[in-house]
Amino acid sequence: NAGVMQNPRHLVRRRGQEARLRCSPMKGHSHVYWYRQLPEEGLKFMVYLQKENIIDESGMPKERFSAEFPKEGPSILRIQQVVRGDSAAYFCASSPSAGGSSGNTIYFGEGSWLTVV
Amino acid sequence: AQSVTQLDSQVPVFEEAPVELRCNYSSSVSVYLFWYVQYPNQGLQLLLKYLSGSTLVKGINGFEAEFNKSQTSFHLRKPSVHISDTAEYFCAVSRYSGGYQKVTFGTGTKLQVIP
Repeated sequence: NAGVMQNPRHLVRRRGQEARLRCSPMKGHSHVYWYRQLPEEGLKFMVYLQKENIIDESGMPKERFSAEFPKEGPSILRIQQVVRGDSAAYFCASSPSAGGSSGNTIYFGEGSWLTVV
Repeated sequence: AQSVTQLDSQVPVFEEAPVELRCNYSSSVSVYLFWYVQYPNQGLQLLLKYLSGSTLVKGINGFEAEFNKSQTSFHLRKPSVHISDTAEYFCAVSRYSGGYQKVTFGTGTKLQVIP
């Protein structure tokens, strides 16, 4: 049973380029979360998606960042016109349902490390 | 709103000594509690979780944590650490709100096991 798959694991982009990070949730999971981890900081929530819907994007920067989770295929986190401050580890997580009283655990991928030069 | 505080950013401990990593949380509603471990350049791996029931939770790699509702704490413990336990540990709280799990992480505690 494959876990949450993220690619690429490492990505280098020049300032002004676009970065696309992909996440395939665990089999049977339809809920996807994206988190960002800046150096020496904890994980910060960015966005929560279900298939074809963005449910909560309260942690997403207002500009240049977008996320999608299409009916078919992986979830994509897209960063346009990257700047040095975007350098971070981006983690995707998935869960089988929205949780509730069962307290479903969310499972993390190995992360994608973005370096902007 | 909910928040998590991990007071110790770094904890050095000698090999085979016991360790406790502290975690306090605040929330106006019932929450679920988790500890994750992150090895260098890797993702987060679930160590253990508290959902309900017994307040003493046992996890992988010999770790355990105790939920203390009155003190709003969920400290992580291990009676004897190994070199391989050197990693960063994150405490997290989760609550069901607005139709999904909202998970908030602490800033992490780096455990350094000294030979």
